[in-house]
Amino acid sequence: DVQLVESGGGLVRPGESRRLSCAVSGFSVSSTYVSWVRQAPGKGLEWVSVVNSGGTTYYADSVKGRFTTSRESSKNTVYLQMNSLRVEDTAIYYCARGEGVLHSWGQGTLVAVSS
Amino acid sequence: DIQMTQSPSSLSASVGDRVTITCQASEDISDYLHWYQQIPGKAPTLLISDASKLESGVPSRFSGSGSGTEFTFTINSLQPEDIATYYCQHYDNPRYTFGPGTKVEIK
Repeated sequence: DVQLVESGGGLVRPGESRRLSCAVSGFSVSSTYVSWVRQAPGKGLEWVSVVNSGGTTYYADSVKGRFTTSRESSKNTVYLQMNSLRVEDTAIYYCARGEGVLHSWGQGTLVAVSS
Repeated sequence: DIQMTQSPSSLSASVGDRVTITCQASEDISDYLHWYQQIPGKAPTLLISDASKLESGVPSRFSGSGSGTEFTFTINSLQPEDIATYYCQHYDNPRYTFGPGTKVEIK
């Protein structure tokens, strides 16, 4: 069974950093695409970043230069390092598996950025 | 960048009604269009891929059609458990673009 479990969310101050983790089972993070998608309170879905099977990463313009996605094959985990956090980064962050279409999603982890 | 729009933004229908949601792309995307359901408080789940392919385990009352720039998502007989927000999504390598969503409620 494919499973994705996010962790690392919490309350942070503007300008601070936070690292989210997406631990997966049922597939290898190095064999497929894993994305981060976020949802601000009461809003729609916004794609944040993806790491493809080759390890290349891409980012939405809204987070480029501040967020970094990486993966650790030995732990079958994908990370989202978020720096210089802003109030507008407040959202539930989901990780999801799939190239082009997001077949499987985690339950999400809430990041709240507030002073 | 390709933009996705959805209409309506919300709708209210009775149990047993047929519900139709439209998704429009700003340019031709062939059939690279996917539909997700997000039940309140839950993560999204994939219902339909490539415009019309029903995912395994998804009830047959859900269907999708279309190609190019115009796509339709249909619930043939609305059930109480279908209360959710529905999103269309397109992949324009490397970006995943979502529509703004359509909230479906029971009248």
